[in-house]
Amino acid sequence: AQSVSQHNHHVILSEAASLELGCNYSYGGTVNLFWYVQYPGQHLQLLLKYFSGDPLVKGIKGFEAEFIKSKFSFNLRKPSVQWSDTAEYFCASRSSGGYQKVTFGTGTKLQVIP
Amino acid sequence: KAGVTQTPRYLIKTRGQQVTLSCSPISGHRSVSWYQQTPGQGLQFLFEYFSETQRNKGNFPGRFSGRQFSNSRSEMNVSTLELGDSALYLCASTLRGDRGDEQYFGPGTRLTVT
Repeated sequence: AQSVSQHNHHVILSEAASLELGCNYSYGGTVNLFWYVQYPGQHLQLLLKYFSGDPLVKGIKGFEAEFIKSKFSFNLRKPSVQWSDTAEYFCASRSSGGYQKVTFGTGTKLQVIP
Repeated sequence: KAGVTQTPRYLIKTRGQQVTLSCSPISGHRSVSWYQQTPGQGLQFLFEYFSETQRNKGNFPGRFSGRQFSNSRSEMNVSTLELGDSALYLCASTLRGDRGDEQYFGPGTRLTVT
């Protein structure tokens, strides 16, 4: 079965600090990878996605992620966080083809201190 | 285009009762997935429906069931509620693309079992 690991459960950063959230997936075949964000009191929103092609993916609000196949990783990065980035971040994977379920990591809560 | 809508938004039930939750996907999206979100377990996949057929199922007991109608609206039902069923139930509407699928989430139904 697929699994997704997010190593950091709770991250606290000061504004303007750089962010990197780790994500590792277990499936060895072709996968689609996603990062979602859940702001307090709001529903899950798609930040960015990787299907194929350029392994460096840019998403909304200045976020980017790099797919490294050899490391089974899809880490999320942002050069300078803002207080408004305080949220919970979820990494997810889905093996491509057919009707494959999406597997989510347990999430990382990011708290940005002004 | 309207987003994914879920009703009701909040629900309080007692143990042993049953509950039905509803989800209307984004217009044109024919696939609907359901997830259970809890603080300890994160997002757990329940099932996915496409064209009124269940295409995938997660590891939940038979008390959890669902269906999809011809207009793509979906319902999930939980019978004989247990305290542990208290959670946020999320519905996701899937846009199927040539390169991969993207899920769009609704606001969820917060179920509290007392």
